[in-house]
Amino acid sequence: NAGVTQTPKFRILKIGQSMTLQCTQDMNHNYMYWYRQDPGMGLKLIYYSVGAGITDKGEVPNGYNVSRSTTEDFPLRLELAAPSQTSVYFCASRTVGQGATGELFFGEGSRLTVL
Amino acid sequence: AQSVTQLGSHVSVSEGALVLLRCNYSSSVPPYLFWYVQYPNQGLQLLLKYTTGATLVKGINGFEAEFKKSETSFHLTKPSAHMSDAAEYFCAVSEINSGNTPLVFGKGTRLSVIA
Repeated sequence: NAGVTQTPKFRILKIGQSMTLQCTQDMNHNYMYWYRQDPGMGLKLIYYSVGAGITDKGEVPNGYNVSRSTTEDFPLRLELAAPSQTSVYFCASRTVGQGATGELFFGEGSRLTVL
Repeated sequence: AQSVTQLGSHVSVSEGALVLLRCNYSSSVPPYLFWYVQYPNQGLQLLLKYTTGATLVKGINGFEAEFKKSETSFHLTKPSAHMSDAAEYFCAVSEINSGNTPLVFGKGTRLSVIA
């Protein structure tokens, strides 16, 4: 069982370039999230989705966009990359509701450097 | 709004000594509480969780945590540290069964184990 899969694992971008971080999960979870992790700052929520076709902003959405066309996939797009977007990005998913414990399942992360 | 405070960004213990990582939370409703561990260059892995019921919860690798409502705390302990416990630990809080309110993470505590 693959769980949450993120690609690519590493990427270097030049300022102003754009790219998409891919995330897919095979657990049929409705809820998916993108976090960024910066040293000493913990995890900050960028965007999340409660189901196909529904997305919402988190704490730090500026400079990013998301879409959710299927239950499985939740790509994160960076437009006009800036050095401030150098970070490690984590995709996560979970299920909520009766019987669920609400824990997040994480991908292994995508390390992005913007030069 | 929910929040998590982890006391101490870096904790250092000797091998075989007690590990105590502190977490205090703020939540307006009964919370779900989580501890995650992150080994270098890896994603976050669930260590243990409190949902309802017994306030002392046991997790993987000999860790446990106690939910103390009166103190709004969920401290993580392990009786005897092992070199392999060196990692970053994150405490997180979530409202019960609310996917629209994602987990809120603390800033993390880096645990070092000295031989």
